[in-house]
Amino acid sequence: KAGVTQTPRYLIKTRGQQVTLSCSPISGHRSVSWYQQTPGQGLQFLFEYFSETQRNKGNFPGRFSGRQFSNSRSEMNVSTLELGDSALYLCASIPGLAGYNEQFFGPGTRLTVL
Amino acid sequence: AQSVTQLDSQVPVFEEAPVELRCNYSSSVSVYLFWYVQYPNQGLQLLLKYLSGSTLVESINGFEAEFNKSQTSFHLRKPSVHISDTAEYFCAVLDTGRRALTFGSGTRLQVQP
Repeated sequence: KAGVTQTPRYLIKTRGQQVTLSCSPISGHRSVSWYQQTPGQGLQFLFEYFSETQRNKGNFPGRFSGRQFSNSRSEMNVSTLELGDSALYLCASIPGLAGYNEQFFGPGTRLTVL
Repeated sequence: AQSVTQLDSQVPVFEEAPVELRCNYSSSVSVYLFWYVQYPNQGLQLLLKYLSGSTLVESINGFEAEFNKSQTSFHLRKPSVHISDTAEYFCAVLDTGRRALTFGSGTRLQVQP
């Protein structure tokens, strides 16, 4: 079974621009979560999608948004980029509906905002 | 609200020595606990998890962790480390309502020859 795929792996943007990151979960998984990892704030939950619907959201401004497609692939978008948005963005693939299921992480997209 | 505290930011240890990475959690509901490992420039890999049942859980590569409800701890141990264990280790608790993981700040394990 293929793992979680995230594209692109590296991205450089400038302040004020917007960016879209993509995540393809493990085949058969229907839920995707996104996390932001920074040296200062650590790992923080952004949002979760299941069956094309955002089910849960972390404490991030509205500049951070996402969506999920019918094939379970997910994208997250950050508009009006700020320097503090530089981070590793991790996508997690969740097998099923039970809340305790383990989350399988992708390799991440490293975003640098200049 | 749930929280996780990893007491040591860095743990240097010599190869073949034992190691313990400490993790304490705070949760008012049923607890589901995880240890993840992150190698440089990679994502997170699940090491082991506690969902219920036996309080001692083991991974396939020699790590083990013990769930201690009275001390609200989930420390990670390995009796003999290898150079290849050098990585950052994250303890996490699952918020089952939000299905979101709350992570500790991480412990960098540095195994020296």
